[in-house]
Amino acid sequence: EPEVTQTPSHQVTQMGQEVILRCVPISNHLYFYWYRQILGQKVEFLVSFYNNEISEKSEIFDDQFSVERPDGSNFTLKIRSTKLEDSAMYFCASSDLRTGGNTIYFGEGSWLTVV
Amino acid sequence: KNQVEQSPQSLIILEGKNCTLQCNYTVSPFSNLRWYKQDTGRGPVSLTIMTFSENTKSNGRYTATLDADTKQSSLHITASQLSDSASYICVVRDNRLAFGKGNQVVVIP
Repeated sequence: EPEVTQTPSHQVTQMGQEVILRCVPISNHLYFYWYRQILGQKVEFLVSFYNNEISEKSEIFDDQFSVERPDGSNFTLKIRSTKLEDSAMYFCASSDLRTGGNTIYFGEGSWLTVV
Repeated sequence: KNQVEQSPQSLIILEGKNCTLQCNYTVSPFSNLRWYKQDTGRGPVSLTIMTFSENTKSNGRYTATLDADTKQSSLHITASQLSDSASYICVVRDNRLAFGKGNQVVVIP
């Protein structure tokens, strides 16, 4: 079964450093998402991306965050200057349709620890 | 206020027994409701998706029900197995996905 893949699986970074999390969505999918889950808390929406632009973003997705689809396969989340509170599991997801009962497939996550 | 509330927060059950997890939501308008299974440290995996017109949907030993009038859903696990130990997350969709905090299920032998 096709799957969303994410790298790295775990990254430790110093506060203030830039981090790039990478994702390869399922190949025929058109909608891409980033979510995060702080340890012990619920999954939170960050941003959705379609047709090479952000279609929606949450209040969490401030100026320190950016997303990019640099080529036909990768979808990246950049955190410009990490803060301690950015420590979380970041999930990439993709789907083939935006509306209706389409399944959204999640990657295994990238665990970010900011020290 | 969270738009999706799940109960119980955690549950311990004996292997082979059944259990039912509850989800109440206030999301409106409502597009569909999903149940995901999330193993510790892993990404959520979709179990069921239901639109407002569907009352029940099964996926193996998992059966989800939906009452769109009362805005309640349940996930029933039949004949639980050790591998069912996970967090079960109720997700309701309007324009975006609203996640519940999950029901943490622990199945013991």
